[in-house]
Order: sequence, then structure tokens, then C-alpha cells
Amino acid sequence: DAGVIQSPRHEVTEMGQEVTLRCKPISGHDYLFWYRQTMMRGLELLIYFNNNVPIDDSGMPEDRFSAKMPNASFSTLKIQPSEPRDSAVYFCASSLGPGQGGYTFGSGTRLTVV
Amino acid sequence: GESVGLHLPTLSVQEGDNSIINCAYSNSASDYFIWYKQESGKGPQFIIDIRSNMDKRQGQRVTVLLNKTVKHLSLQIAATQPGDSAVYFCAETGGFKTIFGAGTRLFVKA
Repeated sequence: DAGVIQSPRHEVTEMGQEVTLRCKPISGHDYLFWYRQTMMRGLELLIYFNNNVPIDDSGMPEDRFSAKMPNASFSTLKIQPSEPRDSAVYFCASSLGPGQGGYTFGSGTRLTVV
Repeated sequence: GESVGLHLPTLSVQEGDNSIINCAYSNSASDYFIWYKQESGKGPQFIIDIRSNMDKRQGQRVTVLLNKTVKHLSLQIAATQPGDSAVYFCAETGGFKTIFGAGTRLFVKA
């Protein structure tokens, strides 16, 4: 199993541009999570999906952020327009479910907005 | 200007010594706990888990202890190696909600 796959690994973009982060979860995992990690705030849950349906998006900072999961093997996190304060490492994780072995995280996307 | 960020607790140990990393969790209803290890440039990686009906669980070189009375979790690493240097997070799950701790940075001195 290749694990959770995220792309790109690094993204540098100018303020105001649209950014799309991609994630392929582990096959068979029904839950997918998007996290943001910064020195200021640590790991923050942005949104999670169960069986491709968004369940809790209360962590999405504002309307500039959106996430989709069109099928069980693919999810995107989009920021439009991007701002310098969005600079962070964004992690995707998947799991079988609550209490079932924890999360498998991807390697993350390091986003820098200049 | 001065930057303010999370001040991670740091533990520095000599190679070969045992390490103990502590975590206070917040929700008395949490029933599942996990320790993760995050190395530089990587995502958090599952190390070991424990359910609330247990107070101790052992893995390879690692032991997790759970004290529900005081809502405390600890991770013990035996014979700490340089490859154990990382940030360690505890996570608590109650129902469908998982909360990650701020993390502890472990330095292993050769």
C-alpha cells in the first residue's frame, strides 16, 4: 500500500492566486481529513468526510477555503484567493473510522503564499 | 517583529536512556488514545494506541500508560535511539471527534 498520497509536495504561489491541493486516501478507508499545521496553531482540523460526504467543516477558516471529495479515492482542498497567512503545511489523513487504528497521514503539502 | 508560536515542551535524553513523554488530555469521555511521531518534513505517524478499558499497553520498545483518574497519558520509549528524535503527539478520541495535543519535541543526544 502506498499510503495516503498528497500532491504537490511544495507549492509557492502569489497572493490572490487559486491553489488546489490533492489527496488520494488509502483504499477502504471511509474517513478522510484535511489538517493544517503551523508553528502558531499546531495541527488544526479543517474538514472531514465520511463516505465522500462532508461531515464537519467547522474548522474551515473562511469562505476562501473549499473541499470536495467526488469519489472514494480523491479529494481536493482549494483556496481562492490565497493570502500570505494561508502559508502552512496541509496534511490529508484517512482512517477506517473512530477508534479503529488511528489516522494515516500523507506527507503533506507545504504551501507558501508570497 | 518578534514571532510568537507554540512553545513545544522539549525533552532531551542520552542515547540508550529511557524516555517518558507526558500528555494531559481534556475530555473525560474520550475512550481511545493514540501516540503519533512526526519527523521533520513528514506527516504524523501512528506509534501505539490504547482504549479506555486498559491502563497499559506495550509495543516494540514503547509502552503507553493511561490514568483516567487524572486524565493523563504517557509514552515510554526504552533504550532511546537517535532515530527517535521527533515531535510526539498524543490524540484523544471520543465519539467522532479526535483532538491532538500540542506535541513534545524529543532530542536524543549521541
